[in-house]
Amino acid sequence: LAKTTQPISMDSYEGQEVNITCSHNNIATNDYITWYQQFPSQGPRFIIQGYKTKVTNEVASLFIPADRKSSTLSLPRVSLSDTAVYYCLVGDGNTGFQKLVFGTGTRLLVSP
Amino acid sequence: DSGVTQTPKHLITATGQRVTLRCSPRSGDLSVYWYQQSLDQGLQFLIQYYNGEERAKGNILERFSAQQFPDLHSELNLSSLELGDSALYFCASSVGSVIETQYFGPGTRLLVL
Repeated sequence: LAKTTQPISMDSYEGQEVNITCSHNNIATNDYITWYQQFPSQGPRFIIQGYKTKVTNEVASLFIPADRKSSTLSLPRVSLSDTAVYYCLVGDGNTGFQKLVFGTGTRLLVSP
Repeated sequence: DSGVTQTPKHLITATGQRVTLRCSPRSGDLSVYWYQQSLDQGLQFLIQYYNGEERAKGNILERFSAQQFPDLHSELNLSSLELGDSALYFCASSVGSVIETQYFGPGTRLLVL
């Protein structure tokens, strides 16, 4: 079962770039890495997904090194509304079955 | 709005009771996932159904069961409830059966007294 580890919390200021790293040492060949954002009392919301190297969309970038044992979510120029908990998700790829393991979550606090 | 609906929004019940939580996935999604989120355990994957069949099982207790019906809606049944079952229960859906973007519902907040 792919286990993930993230920092418990991070602080930042508006306009700064924030990088949140997730460690997943026993990631399997078929696994993808996905990041979700969650606000209090709401369901998680998809941010970005990747398999290797770098993926970028309109809200974030995801950096994955060659060994894929970690990944970094990069949020450019954060705003107050980015204050939330961020989860790293690694699919445990056993052909035909996916046991989904969420990370511990990183609580990001953005201050003015 | 993710397109995933869950009912009820809130549920208050007593220990030993049984409750049923309902989830309707987004139109076109065949997979339904159930998660439990409590303060001390974080977001825990419980079970996944794909097109009516159980696909993956996580940390689901024997007192809990789920099913997905032909119209693809799903129900999570929680029985012999204990105080520790108090949590937010989320349903999510996706198009296929492997890991991909999941769309989460607003959750059902269960309080066991």
